[in-house]
Amino acid sequence: SQQGEEDPQALSIQEGENATMNCSYKTSINNLQWYRQNSGRGLVHLILIRSNEREKHSGRLRVTLDTSKKSSSLLITASRAADTASYFCATLRNSGNTPLVFGKGTRLSVIA
Amino acid sequence: SAVISQKPSRDICQRGTSLTIQCQVDSQVTMMFWYRQQPGQSLTLIATANQGSEATYESGFVIDKFPISRPNLTFSTLTVSNMSPEDSSIYLCSVVQSYEQYFGPGTRLTVT
Repeated sequence: SQQGEEDPQALSIQEGENATMNCSYKTSINNLQWYRQNSGRGLVHLILIRSNEREKHSGRLRVTLDTSKKSSSLLITASRAADTASYFCATLRNSGNTPLVFGKGTRLSVIA
Repeated sequence: SAVISQKPSRDICQRGTSLTIQCQVDSQVTMMFWYRQQPGQSLTLIATANQGSEATYESGFVIDKFPISRPNLTFSTLTVSNMSPEDSSIYLCSVVQSYEQYFGPGTRLTVT
């Protein structure tokens, strides 16, 4: 069963604005990962944040993790039309060799 | 990191037929995972394939419909049996190494 739940399900913003997507999960995790998927394309791994980390940056991406609330957020700053895609969070449980459980995703549209 | 290849990359099949998807990993792994991504949806775990034992299926997936083989530590197959148009999806195999997950490029299946 899916563990992560993203909100919003869809987000439409103007180019240059920031986009924030949230993810909630249910069980304890080893790490949480964010992926991007352009329409009809494969998954692109964006960033991984471990359970003992609270914030991580990668270029225009900022991810936070609050394990007490079992939630994470992905912030994309200064968005571009090329950021238009679906974004998924996925969690890896603490027990070894368990697969990622994916949320339903947020569909982001950046309008030029 | 693990490098995963899948064959075929895409196929168009008639309803009622079966397709076997192959997954090859460049290193030995204990568990391999099969996911399905239906159009416009997130990834859903189908089953976990252990070498030397029967696969473990997630709720909603059964062995008769999705038989899996795992003959060794680097290879697995997923068969989609008695296909219907609802089986049109991308099928991905995946492995976890050191709490990081790696995905194959996917097999895009269209059932007509």
